[in-house]
Parts: sequence; structure tokens; C-alpha cells
Amino acid sequence: DVKVTQSSRYLVKRTGEKVFLECVQDMDHENMFWYRQDPGLGLRLIYFSYDVKMKEKGDIPEGYSVSREKKERFSLILESASTNQTSMYLCASSLPSRQGSSNQPQHFGDGTRLSIL
Amino acid sequence: AQKITQTQPGMFVQEKEAVTLDCTYDTSDPSYGLFWYKQPSSGEMIFLIYQGSYDQQNATEGRYSLNFQKARKSANLVISASQLGDSAMYFCAMRPRGNFNKFYFGSGTKLNVKP
Repeated sequence: DVKVTQSSRYLVKRTGEKVFLECVQDMDHENMFWYRQDPGLGLRLIYFSYDVKMKEKGDIPEGYSVSREKKERFSLILESASTNQTSMYLCASSLPSRQGSSNQPQHFGDGTRLSIL
Repeated sequence: AQKITQTQPGMFVQEKEAVTLDCTYDTSDPSYGLFWYKQPSSGEMIFLIYQGSYDQQNATEGRYSLNFQKARKSANLVISASQLGDSAMYFCAMRPRGNFNKFYFGSGTKLNVKP
């Protein structure tokens, strides 16, 4: 079974702090993703990475950065946390599409509920 | 543009009855995958079922089946014989073949199963 592990289930930080959310997967997946989830808005993609040191902006990258130094680890960084970044953060990984197939699902971690005070 | 629409924010179903959760999608990519996920209150996202755009038959996984109507661009999830443990948020997602392997999610449907 694929295991995606997020470092914290719950996290409380203060405005202006630099916050690190860590995600590790154990299935050698090329693709990794960070989403935030807010009520009524579903999952919104922040950043994704399709290889080590490669990253692409998602739909809402402002205020965030990411780091992927090793294949199994994908970190989300809030450079200067603000109260509007209070949310549920979900990390996911997947294999890339192969030979034109789109049948590889994303596998998710348990999520981190982040509160910025 | 790629888009997933789930028009039912919340639904109720009686235990042991069947329920259909709606999902429509929009994409110009001729090849894509459609997925459904379940998210219990504990927060983890659980992959339920997959349907490929070129699959001739509707996907089934145990009590879950996918009513795929390609011309209508709909991919509704059917849960048969609902159980109390089915109470959760359900998300529909699409993965176009192109576009860097991105997934697109709907806003979700909250299902409550009544005893």
C-alpha cells in the first residue's frame, strides 16, 4: 500500500512565522502535490512537482513556496504566515500518466489542520 | 478549461438504500481519467473508483459504481445499500492526459446516511 505521511495532523502558528509542512511518500512516485481545502471550495492546488527540484505553480501559489530535494519528500513553506492561510492542507502523490493512460490515482496523506493566530 | 462540477452540497439517504452523487466535467482533452474519493470526518482522502474516458463499460468496485455518460460529460457515483459508515464528503476528480498530470477536483458532496 502507498503511504503518504504528513508531519503533523494539527498545527498552530502565529502571524508572521515561517511555517514548514512536510510530506513523505514511500512508493517512489514522481509526482507530488500540495492542496488546501476550505469548506465549499473543494481542493485547490497550491504547487506540484513532477521530479526532484522541479516544481510548477498551481492555482493559488501566492504566499507559498515548495521544496523537493529528494524524490520522497515534498515540503510546503508559508514564508510569512497570515490568518487567511488557516486551512486544511493535503499532500498527495501519484505516478505520472504512462503511454497515454490517465488511470493513476492520487494517494493522499491524512492532512494537516493549520491554524494561524 | 478544465472544470469539475458537483451541484449537490449535501444529501441525505436512508440506510440500505441506494444514492447517486452527481458529477459533471468539462475538458477539451480527448483522453482523461475520472476518479471518486471519499473523505470521512477524520480527514483522509480515500480513493474509491476510476473510469477511463475510453472505457466501454461503467466501472464498479463493490458497492460503488460509476454511471459514465460521455456525451453528457457526467460521471455520477452510485452507492448501493448505503451504510452508516458511508457518511462522508465525496469528491469527484478528473485527470486529463496532458497538462503535467494535474488533477481537478469538484467542491464535494456531503452525504449523510440516516439509520
